[in-house]
Amino acid sequence: GQQLNQSPQSMFIQEGEDVSMNCTSSSIFNTWLWYKQDPGEGPVLLIALYKAGELTSNGRLTAQFGITRKDSFLNISASIPSDVGIYFCAGQHLQGANNLFFGTGTRLTVIP
Amino acid sequence: NAGVTQTPKFQVLKTGQSMTLQCAQDMNHEYMSWYRQDPGMGLRLIHYSVGAGITDQGEVPNGYNVSRSTTEDFPLRLLSAAPSQTSVYFCASRSGTGDGYTFGSGTRLTVV
Repeated sequence: GQQLNQSPQSMFIQEGEDVSMNCTSSSIFNTWLWYKQDPGEGPVLLIALYKAGELTSNGRLTAQFGITRKDSFLNISASIPSDVGIYFCAGQHLQGANNLFFGTGTRLTVIP
Repeated sequence: NAGVTQTPKFQVLKTGQSMTLQCAQDMNHEYMSWYRQDPGMGLRLIHYSVGAGITDQGEVPNGYNVSRSTTEDFPLRLLSAAPSQTSVYFCASRSGTGDGYTFGSGTRLTVV
């Protein structure tokens, strides 16, 4: 299967700090997605990216589709306690294609 | 709307037993998928369906069967459970025009 590596694997930050995480792939994707998973729940879609170089925001979250099409980045500004969870990147080779390849996840802990 | 509903939430099986994990969605989504989530490996696609009567294999299909007799339901069958199938299973669905999957809350399966 496709290898999507996320870094860092885990982060401990103070409330109010900004967060950056990234995802790299061994192959090119045409769509990048970012999900968040809360304990005991399924992943929830945060942001979808469709074009190389695209920068998209959703509230305090900003994600970018890397120019090489092999990477993507997620930033969270002014973190709050409810940002705690696991963040996954996911890639698709074709827009609408069924097979989503997921990264290994970044576990975020926010210290109040 | 209930979204994607998975049952049961928890299950313990003995090696060799069979069972069916249920998944139902009420959003009239065409696409449905089953993923398994293992520590440190992200989510991996087991089987998927692009519509009633149509199914196909994903990345890790061995040991699992699926069928899609209606748009709403997409059950996952374990024919003869093995300890390697201990995992958290997620069902997901999306419309034909969307990229963002809606996930269920998961079934935690332990095979002893």
